[in-house]
Amino acid sequence: DIVMTQSPTSMSISVGDRVTMNCKASQNVGSNVDWYQQKTGQSPKLLIYKASNRYTGVPDRFTGSGSGTDFTFTISNMQAEDLAVYYCMQSNSYPFTFGSGTKLEIK
Amino acid sequence: QVTLKESGPGILQPSQTLSLTCTFSGFSLSTYGMGVGWIRQPSGKGLEWLANIWWDDDKYYNPSLKNRLTISKDTSNNQAFLKITNVDTADTATYYCARAYYGYPYWGQGVMVTVSS
Repeated sequence: DIVMTQSPTSMSISVGDRVTMNCKASQNVGSNVDWYQQKTGQSPKLLIYKASNRYTGVPDRFTGSGSGTDFTFTISNMQAEDLAVYYCMQSNSYPFTFGSGTKLEIK
Repeated sequence: QVTLKESGPGILQPSQTLSLTCTFSGFSLSTYGMGVGWIRQPSGKGLEWLANIWWDDDKYYNPSLKNRLTISKDTSNNQAFLKITNVDTADTATYYCARAYYGYPYWGQGVMVTVSS
């Protein structure tokens, strides 16, 4: 199985901050990485698909980049409503695998 | 409008078979490229992908569950199903179904399943 190593595990941030998190795949996954946001008590929500494509209706403060084994997810101007756990997922080969998540908390 | 909703037994005993149903609307599993996936999440923990089924009846499973999984679909009634045999307490989780098409853009609300004697 492909292991998705996500970092950091958690971040304490302030509204307005730029937030960056990373996922490293244990082998080449091309551009087949998606990013999901999960707020407490809610289902995950797709933000970015195929590494850098913003899903319909997702604000442009959310961006993704990377290919191969290294991927980055950025929130350019953190809003209070962005407090959540963020997960990466590779869909290059089965079984699909998720990172362990990055939890954003208010400083 | 795409919606999905999971249903299941709520609670079951170890060694029983868990049967989950995903009832969806707004898309068809007979449409080229469409699929449905199942993902689970133990309380307070991360996401685990379980299985996918595609419009052409291709099926893929997470081998970590050691052949305990069976995914199927009823295209006429817009439903997808997941069975997990021989459950134990480690299968206690919230189970989600999601539409598969360029990621999982639509998710159900999830159904909580508890395995307890």
